[in-house]
Amino acid sequence: KNEVEQSPQNLTAQEGEFITINCSYSVGISALHWLQQHPGGGIVSLFMLSSGKKKHGRLIATINIQEKHSSLHITASHPRDSAVYICAVCRGGSNYKLTFGKGTLLTVNP
Amino acid sequence: DVKVTQSSRYLVKRTGEKVFLECVQDMDHENMFWYRQDPGLGLRLIYFSYDVKMKEKGDIPEGYSVSREKKERFSLILESASTNQTSMYLCASSERLGSTDTQYFGPGTRLTVL
Repeated sequence: KNEVEQSPQNLTAQEGEFITINCSYSVGISALHWLQQHPGGGIVSLFMLSSGKKKHGRLIATINIQEKHSSLHITASHPRDSAVYICAVCRGGSNYKLTFGKGTLLTVNP
Repeated sequence: DVKVTQSSRYLVKRTGEKVFLECVQDMDHENMFWYRQDPGLGLRLIYFSYDVKMKEKGDIPEGYSVSREKKERFSLILESASTNQTSMYLCASSERLGSTDTQYFGPGTRLTVL
């Protein structure tokens, strides 16, 4: 079993829909990161979470440490949100090594 | 803005060739990373460098070496390329070394080994 599991693997939505991507992990962590990868390869960091909730524009990320679960929400989705969203965790005891999920491919249709 | 650049977006090499992938960052970051990304596997850490001439193996270092002679430049070397090294290679850098620190990624190099 992978240490970081994301669901769904693929997600297709219509413009304007509310989107949720889930990340579950099986190890103790010190932080969780959400990343975005557009076609062509470049990866951008969206959020770093160690507890609670963060919001940036239409994106919201939450984490429940007890349940070992995080969600990334996109409100009022737009075709430009189409990308692969990657969850990565930093294990407790490691100060830099990230373990990555396999990613969720989001396609938002106009 | 942090900028991480990689020498090539696409590269095609033959089995047995020595391959150099170059990465340069312009923000004076101490730490630099090389990852490979394969379908169905996600990103995996190959090597990490925390200072000039300092390096540490990641999860999959076999078949690779690295060089960091200058702070801004981190090179990944495939001594003798093999077809199973066909992959997307991503470089990243970070200012500090901590679980909460952001890693800034380059655009990636898609390497094909024939």
